[in-house]
Amino acid sequence: DSGVTQTPKHLITATGQRVTLRCSPRSGDLSVYWYQQSLDQGLQFLIQYYNGEERAKGNILERFSAQQFPDLHSELNLSSLELGDSALYFCASSVDSLNSPLHFGNGTRLTVT
Amino acid sequence: AQSVTQPDIHITVSEGASLELRCNYSYGATPYLFWYVQSPGQGLQLLLKYFSGDTLVQGIKGFEAEFKRSQSSFNLRKPSVHWSDAAEYFCAVGMNNNAGNMLTFGGGTRLMVKP
Repeated sequence: DSGVTQTPKHLITATGQRVTLRCSPRSGDLSVYWYQQSLDQGLQFLIQYYNGEERAKGNILERFSAQQFPDLHSELNLSSLELGDSALYFCASSVDSLNSPLHFGNGTRLTVT
Repeated sequence: AQSVTQPDIHITVSEGASLELRCNYSYGATPYLFWYVQSPGQGLQLLLKYFSGDTLVQGIKGFEAEFKRSQSSFNLRKPSVHWSDAAEYFCAVGMNNNAGNMLTFGGGTRLMVKP
């Protein structure tokens, strides 16, 4: 058990809809990361937050947004969903924003129909 | 920009045999290198990491990896594979600058273990 909690485990929704994925980092970790894993793109870095502030941005679509709250949990919002957004979305956390290893949650599997 | 290549998409080994998973990276500075393992339905678990110092690093579950700067490689090894090692393995390179701590992952190698 990595200590990173993601909810929900599974999500099925229709195209055009909006969903929110939630992540609670390990106790004591200040950084939260979001990754998307799909068969054709592999593991893609989306965004990183450190202590409530955005720190790094990857291949995150404009339809997607995230935030980290004062209690350090994070939410990833996906809107105007398309079939191609179907993927596993992982949250990870680390102690700081430097080179500390990432600890991953078990992911949220999103299916867009 | 950094990149990671894992040339082998699938590898099958017999239980008890040795294992080497290949990883090549491209990065302009001294890399931070990681190996993660993903079992079905699970998140990624850190096996080992290289930041600096000794180029042979030991990890959990009997795995080790060797950093070879001249070959831009960070191959993962295990002397004797167990059936429970069947999983997908990801190599990653970290870019740590003032902009954050972004890991770039390779495409993964799926390991199958024959009894």
